[in-house]
Amino acid sequence: AQSVTQLDSHVSVSEGTPVLLRCNYSSSYSPSLFWYVQHPNKGLQLLLKYTSAATLVKGINGFEAEFKKSETSFHLTKPSAHMSDAAEYFCVVSDGRTSYDKVIFGPGTSLSVIP
Amino acid sequence: DAGVIQSPRHEVTEMGQEVTLRCKPISGHNSLFWYRQTMMRGLELLIYFNNNVPIDDSGMPEDRFSAKMPNASFSTLKIQPSEPRDSAVYFCASSWDQSTGELFFGEGSRLTVL
Repeated sequence: AQSVTQLDSHVSVSEGTPVLLRCNYSSSYSPSLFWYVQHPNKGLQLLLKYTSAATLVKGINGFEAEFKKSETSFHLTKPSAHMSDAAEYFCVVSDGRTSYDKVIFGPGTSLSVIP
Repeated sequence: DAGVIQSPRHEVTEMGQEVTLRCKPISGHNSLFWYRQTMMRGLELLIYFNNNVPIDDSGMPEDRFSAKMPNASFSTLKIQPSEPRDSAVYFCASSWDQSTGELFFGEGSRLTVL
């Protein structure tokens, strides 16, 4: 069975400092992994995705994530936080073994950016 | 290009009333998902459709909830009768391939049941 763990429910960083949001997954097969962002009162938006190509994935707004199979991790990073990055971030796993697999969302990490 | 369109954006109703939430997926997408988001339970998958057919409704809380997709461009989520514990934000999402995990979300319908 698949599962996703986001190790921090809340992360607070100062503007201009690096961001690290942690995600670990469990999957019996080669997974597809995603990060979504949700700004207040908005729907979720895809930030980036890993689908068995390059292990370092670049997304929108300067975010990137690295797939590490040995650590079963897919942490999200950004070199320098901006105020507009304050939002909820969801790590997602899908193994896509069959056409009817569910997509599993993590519980979310709330990112605060301090001026 | 229009994204996923949900209506209404906000709904306030009284306990016992029927609530209908609507969703128009992105044209060409063949999978549609209904999610519910609350502070307590986070994001929960209620039901998803593939080619207008309900594939898995195990997330639907109880018989008060029903969902339909009469055609590729429209879906409804109905709650009858509504209860205060149904208060949440309901999201619709669509995808061209339900197995990839790449979903396109609407902006949600915020439901408050008094």
